[in-house]
Amino acid sequence: DAGVTQSPTHLIKTRGQHVTLRCSPISGHKSVSWYQQVLGQGPQFIFQYYEKEERGRGNFPDRFSARQFPNYSSELNVNALLLGDSALYLCASREEETQYFGPGTRLLVL
Amino acid sequence: EDQVTQSPEALRLQEGESSSLNCSYTVSGLRGLFWYRQDPGKGPEFLFTLYSAGEEKEKERLKATLTKKESFLHITAPKPEDSATYLCAVQGSREAAGNKLTFGGGTRVLVKP
Repeated sequence: DAGVTQSPTHLIKTRGQHVTLRCSPISGHKSVSWYQQVLGQGPQFIFQYYEKEERGRGNFPDRFSARQFPNYSSELNVNALLLGDSALYLCASREEETQYFGPGTRLLVL
Repeated sequence: EDQVTQSPEALRLQEGESSSLNCSYTVSGLRGLFWYRQDPGKGPEFLFTLYSAGEEKEKERLKATLTKKESFLHITAPKPEDSATYLCAVQGSREAAGNKLTFGGGTRVLVKP
């Protein structure tokens, strides 16, 4: 079975631009979460969606938004990019209490 | 607010030299404690879920244990392929935290042949 998939794998943007990251959960999983991982640190929770509804939001500014589609895939959008948004963005899908992570999208903001 | 602290930050081991990683946590209503392995530039790979104090889980050379305040990941006779960053995370009560995971900073393990 395919695991969580994310696209693109790498992305380079300049300050002020916006970016859209995509995630497809494991087949049958209805919950998707997004995390940001800055180099050398553990992942930090951004959003959780279940059945297309937002079920949780971390301490991130309104520049970050997300949505979930009827097929349970998800998009994370970040507007007005800052240098500090450079990180590995991880998507996870959930079965019962366990979350399974995708390979991540590496975003570099110049 | 849920908090997770991992120690040590980094660990250098000789092949075959067993050791333990520590994960201390504070959480309101623990629903689960999770261990993940992460290779450089990749997403975390799920290892174990522990639900209650006294529980133990094993997989190959890894064994995870849980008390009311901390968890240990024991690595027995490690091999170079066990080199990775090991992440610990907790999930608190649904009312307080939804389904979010709170992670520690990780322990970077390097096993030298």
